[in-house]
Amino acid sequence: DADVTQTPRNRITKTGKRIMLECSQTKGHDRMYWYRQDPGLGLRLIYYSFDVKDINKGEISDGYSVSRQAQAKFSLSLESAIPNQTALYFCATSDSSPGQGFGGELFFGEGSRLTVL
Amino acid sequence: AQSVTQLGSHVSVSEGALVLLRCNYSSSVPPYLFWYVQYPNQGLQLLLKYTSAATLVKGINGFEAEFKKSETSFHLTKPSAHMSDAAEYFCAVIFSGGYQKVTFGTGTKLQVIP
Repeated sequence: DADVTQTPRNRITKTGKRIMLECSQTKGHDRMYWYRQDPGLGLRLIYYSFDVKDINKGEISDGYSVSRQAQAKFSLSLESAIPNQTALYFCATSDSSPGQGFGGELFFGEGSRLTVL
Repeated sequence: AQSVTQLGSHVSVSEGALVLLRCNYSSSVPPYLFWYVQYPNQGLQLLLKYTSAATLVKGINGFEAEFKKSETSFHLTKPSAHMSDAAEYFCAVIFSGGYQKVTFGTGTKLQVIP
C-alpha cells in the first residue's frame, strides 16, 4: 500500500457541487500539505498543517477549506466547485524542517484529478 | 520577492546526450534546494536535495546538481540521457524565513529522443 493515499483518484463534478478530497498517510509525519498542479504553473500550495491544531493558508486558499481530522488524515473541500478549480490535486507529507538534520523532503500521493464542468 | 525560476518549459535531448535543466532562485540568503521528478500519472518523488553540506549533490538515477551561490543557481544534470528519464522535473526551494514551506518552479518537461 502507498504511504500517502488520496481518494478519489478521479472525479468529475458540476459547477456548484461540494467536493471533498481525502488524504491519509502511514508515514507518521506531522506535516501535511495540499497542492494544486496546473500545466505551466507548477505546484501551488493551497493549505498546510504542521500538526492537528495548526492549519495555515497557502498562496491560493480562496475557494478551498481543509480539515485535519487526525495526524494521519487531511482533507480538502471545495464548498461550491467552479470550472477554474479543474486541476490535479496532490497531498504531501513531511517529517521536519531541513534544519533538523536531513528533513524537508515532501512525500506525495498519486494525485486526485478533478474536473468541474 | 523570493522566487524560483526554471528556464525552459520543454527540453528535448537525444538518448545518450547530456541533460541540463536550469533552476535559479531569488534570495539574499541561500535556501534549501530540491529537485523532484514526476513520471506520467504519478506523484512527485525526490531526486536530490541541497541542505548546505556539499555543493555538488548526487541523486538517484545518475542525476546530480551543483549549488552555485554566486549565480543563485541549482542546475540539474545527467551525463547521458536514457529513455526512462522522460518526465517532468521540478525545482523546489525552502526559503529562509519562509516558515519552512516549499515553493515549486513551474517545471520542465524532458523529452528523450531515440
